[in-house]
Amino acid sequence: AQSVTQPDIHITVSEGASLELRCNYSYGATPYLFWYVQSPGQGLQLLLKYFSGDTLVQGIKGFEAEFKRSQSSFNLRKPSVHWSDAAEYFCAVDPGTYKYIFGTGTRLKVLA
Amino acid sequence: DAGVIQSPRHEVTEMGQEVTLRCKPISGHNSLFWYRQTMMRGLELLIYFNNNVPIDDSGMPEDRFSAKMPNASFSTLKIQPSEPRDSAVYFCASTLAVGTDTQYFGPGTRLTVL
Repeated sequence: AQSVTQPDIHITVSEGASLELRCNYSYGATPYLFWYVQSPGQGLQLLLKYFSGDTLVQGIKGFEAEFKRSQSSFNLRKPSVHWSDAAEYFCAVDPGTYKYIFGTGTRLKVLA
Repeated sequence: DAGVIQSPRHEVTEMGQEVTLRCKPISGHNSLFWYRQTMMRGLELLIYFNNNVPIDDSGMPEDRFSAKMPNASFSTLKIQPSEPRDSAVYFCASTLAVGTDTQYFGPGTRLTVL
């Protein structure tokens, strides 16, 4: 069955530190891949997406993600975290249908 | 672009009452989705419309839930009668073209059923 795994439920980093959020998917072909961010009380905002081409994708707010086919991963990175990045991050897969498959989310806490 | 608009942002009601949530998709988008988010189950797709027609309502929990899309710029999700276990955040999302474009989410409606 198709699935998305975000193994880290909570991550805490210090402001200015680097960040990597993990996402693994299970799907037979290469799906469309997304990272969304949800701030408290807000909807989901698209950070970046991968459809094809360059496997390193740049997004908004200084985030990037790298698609690794061999590892079925699409990890999100940021070189220097800001306090405003504290939020919940969702990885999602679109296997070519309308049914996005969302991970369970990773809640990021940023220490001042 | 105003994005996806949802109303109300918060709704508190008593068990047994009817609740109607509203959504205005991004202009020009052909597909609309209703999701429910809870701590226990995460994000669940409830129903999907394409060109105002319901395509897949297999995620609708039970007959108490219904959704309509009378035109390209408006959709409703109705719960009648509401129950405490319906308490959740309900999101609407729209996309230009399913399978090739991104889903854009509204801010959500936080529903509390007492």
